[in-house]
Amino acid sequence: SQQGEEDPQALSIQEGENATMNCSYKTSINNLQWYRQNSGRGLVHLILIRSNEREKHSGRLRVTLDTSKKSSSLLITASRAADTASYFCATDGGGDFQKLVFGTGTRLLVSP
Amino acid sequence: DGGITQSPKYLFRKEGQNVTLSCEQNLNHDAMYWYRQDPGQGLRLIYYSQIVNDFQKGDIAEGYSVSREKKESFPLTVTSAQKNPTAFYLCASTRRGLSGANVLTFGAGSRLTVL
Repeated sequence: SQQGEEDPQALSIQEGENATMNCSYKTSINNLQWYRQNSGRGLVHLILIRSNEREKHSGRLRVTLDTSKKSSSLLITASRAADTASYFCATDGGGDFQKLVFGTGTRLLVSP
Repeated sequence: DGGITQSPKYLFRKEGQNVTLSCEQNLNHDAMYWYRQDPGQGLRLIYYSQIVNDFQKGDIAEGYSVSREKKESFPLTVTSAQKNPTAFYLCASTRRGLSGANVLTFGAGSRLTVL
């Protein structure tokens, strides 16, 4: 079963705007990750946040984690057309390190 | 360059046929995975393998089989028992970091269509 649910399912913005997508999950976790997928391609790891962290930055990416609400958000600042992709959160379920469970994804469209 | 190679990229199969999807990695990763992705959906875990000659079922293993005879290779066979095999299949691998975090490296995927 899928652990995470992303919200919104789809997001359309203009270049230069910020994009925020959210992820909710069901069980305790050791860490939460965000991945990006260009259409018809494999996924690429973006950023990992541990359960004892509340916020993490990487370039134009900002991830927050609220373990009390079992939720995370990914913020992409100053978006570009090249950011157009689907974004997925993934969690480890708090137990088996070898098993990542992915959410349903947010499709982001950034128009020039 | 290190990475994961999946082949073929596109595959067409008639109903009742078994097909095997190849996944090879030269990253010296210990664990390998197969995920299935349906249109507009997330990824669902089919099988995973932590070491050579060992593998575990994921959430949707029925109708699939795997082998792990070499560290570099983790082929997936989609059998005729899989009722709805048309999907995008993704192979991934990982070497667990010192902190225990499990960051996956993915191949480019194989798209299987049943005619």
